[in-house]
Amino acid sequence: GAVVSQHPSWVICKSGTSVKIECRSLDFQATTMFWYRQFPKQSLMLMATSNEGSKATYEQGVEKDKFLINHASLTLSTLTVTSAHPEDSSFYICSARGTGREYGYTFGSGTRLTVV
Amino acid sequence: DQQVKQNSPSLSVQEGRISILNCDYTNSMFDYFLWYKKYPAEGPTFLISISSIKDKNEDGRFTVFLNKSAKHLSLHIVPSQPGDSAVYFCAASAQLGLNTPLVFGKGTRLSVIA
Repeated sequence: GAVVSQHPSWVICKSGTSVKIECRSLDFQATTMFWYRQFPKQSLMLMATSNEGSKATYEQGVEKDKFLINHASLTLSTLTVTSAHPEDSSFYICSARGTGREYGYTFGSGTRLTVV
Repeated sequence: DQQVKQNSPSLSVQEGRISILNCDYTNSMFDYFLWYKKYPAEGPTFLISISSIKDKNEDGRFTVFLNKSAKHLSLHIVPSQPGDSAVYFCAASAQLGLNTPLVFGKGTRLSVIA
């Protein structure tokens, strides 16, 4: 089946530094990548949608200059949290979608970000 | 405005009994519904889905029912097992294209008691 590898699983960083999260589709081409964020006991909230080779589309209220998304190839998308602050601490999950519904919405294992 | 609602934050069921998790939606454009199981600090795991052209889909112990007129779906797990204890998310999408994301409910925490 379709697999999305997400790294790192968890990261602790200092305020003001940047953190990069990677998502790779291992056995299919991820035409579209969705990035979600989940706060404790809350739903998965969509942050942005990206297509390979195009600029990401951000949801209302998500700062595009703070959460940089790159989808340079059909197998790799990255989310960089720039100048991280404690309020950015959250669980970030990517979801890749390839062509055909059978590869719909394959999720990565998530990244727990803690900013201290 | 929540388009997908799971009004029960938690549910406790005895082992062997049926677990019924409910989900309501408001967007009539949704035509594909999915249930995911999630453990803390892990990504969601796909369980079962249903297209709006069906009213029932069954896969082993899991059955999803869809009532389009009521904009309601439910996930039945029978018999429930302790390993089923997790948070279950209902999600929906509209087949407008590959860029259409899933919209999630807030989840229901299921506890199956041995």
